[in-house]
Amino acid sequence: AQSVTQPDIHITVSEGASLELRCNYSYGATPYLFWYVQSPGQGLQLLLKYFSGDTLVQGIKGFEAEFKRSQSSFNLRKPSVHWSDAAEYFCAVGSSNTGKLIFGQGTTLQVKP
Amino acid sequence: EAQVTQNPRYLITVTGKKLTVTCSQNMNHEYMSWYRQDPGLGLRQIYYSMNVEVTDKGDVPEGYKVSRKEKRNFPLILESPSPNQTSLYFCASSFWPPSAYTREDTQYFGPGTRLTVL
Repeated sequence: AQSVTQPDIHITVSEGASLELRCNYSYGATPYLFWYVQSPGQGLQLLLKYFSGDTLVQGIKGFEAEFKRSQSSFNLRKPSVHWSDAAEYFCAVGSSNTGKLIFGQGTTLQVKP
Repeated sequence: EAQVTQNPRYLITVTGKKLTVTCSQNMNHEYMSWYRQDPGLGLRQIYYSMNVEVTDKGDVPEGYKVSRKEKRNFPLILESPSPNQTSLYFCASSFWPPSAYTREDTQYFGPGTRLTVL
C-alpha cells in the first residue's frame, strides 16, 4: 500500500540557516512525488514535483528536493531559510493509475530571527 | 485567472442538517478531488473524479457523497453531518491522465472550507 512518512512533526531553524525536511515513502511502482507548502489560513501551494529523469528537482522559492530510490526518500532542502518560509510542509506520493495523492502528516517549520 | 473556488469558506451547522460544499474550477481539468485536513493526520482523500459522471472513493468516504454532472463542478454533500466531520476541507483539480503530468501540470487546490458540526 502507498504511504508517506514525515518523521519530523516540528522543526525550528534560525533565519539564514540551511533546512532539510525528511520524507519517506512506500510505493510499489515508480512514484510521483510532491512537496506542498501551506501557510497559516491558506490553501496548498506546490513547491516542486518529481516524475522521472534528474533526481535533483528544483522548485519555487529556492527549494530543491532529491529523489533517492534506494532509500525511498524525497527530502526537501533549502540552503538559507527566510522568515517567510515558516509554514507547514507536506510531502505526497501520487498514483499513476488513479491520480490519487497520499499525503504525509506534515512538518511545521518555525523560523527564529 | 486559473483557480479553484469553494463555497462557503466557513460553515457552522448542527448534527443531521444536510449541507453541500461547492467546488468549481475554470481550467477545464478532468480530475477533481476532495480532501479533509485534520491536525496530525495531514490531508486524506474523500472522493475523486476522473471525468464527468466518473467518481470513486478515496480513503475516508464514509458520510460523504459527491457528484460530477459537469466538468467544472464537483460538490461535496454531507447528508447527515456528525461532529466527527468537523474539519478543514479542500477541493483540488488537475489534468488527467497522469501522463499529462508535465512540468507545467500540477494539482491546484482551493482555499479550503472550515466546517464545524455541533
